Amino acid sequence: DAGITQSPRHKVTETGTPVTLRCHQTENHRYMYWYRQDPGHGLRLIHYSYGVKDTDKGEVSDGYSVSRSKTEDFLLTLESATSSQTSVYFCAISTGSNKNTGELFFGEGSRLTVL
Amino acid sequence: DAKTTQPTSMDCAEGRAANLPCNHSTISGNEYVYWYRQIHSQGPQYIIHGLKNNETNEMASLIITEDRKSSTLILPHATLRDTAVYYCIVQGGSEKLVFGKGTKLTVNP
Repeated sequence: DAGITQSPRHKVTETGTPVTLRCHQTENHRYMYWYRQDPGHGLRLIHYSYGVKDTDKGEVSDGYSVSRSKTEDFLLTLESATSSQTSVYFCAISTGSNKNTGELFFGEGSRLTVL
Repeated sequence: DAKTTQPTSMDCAEGRAANLPCNHSTISGNEYVYWYRQIHSQGPQYIIHGLKNNETNEMASLIITEDRKSSTLILPHATLRDTAVYYCIVQGGSEKLVFGKGTKLTVNP
């Protein structure tokens, strides 16, 4: 296993509150990703990182920010949570080479409910 | 947008081979074919990938046509635990993986 931990695994919060999800890896993989999964939409990429302080947007980045201050941690922040951000969030790391990053290992997911 | 086309659902009898097709007619020369699966409520799991040669590992075999416009994932002896959504993805270099809707495989006893 690639050693990836997501926290919290479950969270219920209220609209307008900030939320931070953490993804922690125990190995030194360069690429990390945040996806969300919703019924009818499948998995959609929110943001990804290709190194410390190097991040970029995915297809559904509005309302989310990320930070990667050290290799092992990739944080996803909802500055002001909305009900549309109720979802299951998956973190992933790429265990492939830098030239081919498609071999991802996913975390167990964080289920977020915004009331 | 996903660059692949897969059937929405398939059924397979336990113990038989499950053959999951995928069309990727616009694949580029440097793009790989990846297969993942997702068992209910778990994170997706990497299965196998290939460029142009057929590949086999402990989980499955991947058969890619010579023109690379389609591929088939083969689970040689399907079990009930193989019931999942299977995603075929085309990806090159450091591009991000884009998941489509996949094929819902149901293995029946």
